[in-house]
Amino acid sequence: EIVMTQSPATLSVSPGERATLSCRASQSVSSKLAWYHQKPGQAPRLLIYDASTRATGIPARFSGSGSGTEFTLTISSLQSEDFAVYYCQQYNNWPLTFGGGTKVEIK
Amino acid sequence: QVQLQESGPGLVKPSETLSLNCTVSGGSISSYWWTWIRQPPGKGLEWIGYIYYSGNTNYNPSLKSRVTMSVDTSKNQFSLNLSSVTAADTAVYYCARKGSGASWFDYWGQGTLVTVSS
Repeated sequence: EIVMTQSPATLSVSPGERATLSCRASQSVSSKLAWYHQKPGQAPRLLIYDASTRATGIPARFSGSGSGTEFTLTISSLQSEDFAVYYCQQYNNWPLTFGGGTKVEIK
Repeated sequence: QVQLQESGPGLVKPSETLSLNCTVSGGSISSYWWTWIRQPPGKGLEWIGYIYYSGNTNYNPSLKSRVTMSVDTSKNQFSLNLSSVTAADTAVYYCARKGSGASWFDYWGQGTLVTVSS
């Protein structure tokens, strides 16, 4: 099973600032990585797939990069609605696995 | 707009079988893979498995011995059965649609909390 490790566990950011989240895979997942965010009491929402492709309706302030074992999600200018928990997920190998999450909170 | 809605008991006794349904509206269940994912309270996400509209399945090995998924295309619905549950199976259970390209998930239900307790 591929273990996905996200860092940091919590990221404190002021509105309007840039946020950079990391996701590391225990072995290569090529570019088969997705990012989601989840607000309290809601289901996760797909942001990015194939490491860098924005899902339908996702604003351009969200960008993904990386391949192999190291991935980054960047939010260029945090809006109030972006404060949430972010998860990465690999789909290169079964079983599909998720990272433990990064909570982005208001500083 | 595709919408998914989970339904089923919110409380299951230990050793019994957890059964959930997911009804798909706004689109056909055909030609897609459909999945179950769970999230224990305050924890991260765990993929349980997925099922194709034709009935083909792929389960997480960690749960495979206890999981059965089925699909009813006439009702645009798919289902999860998880047998021999324990308190560790207490979680919010989500149903979702696998994207058309690969195994990311583009539409999700709102989730349903299932508590295992006597």
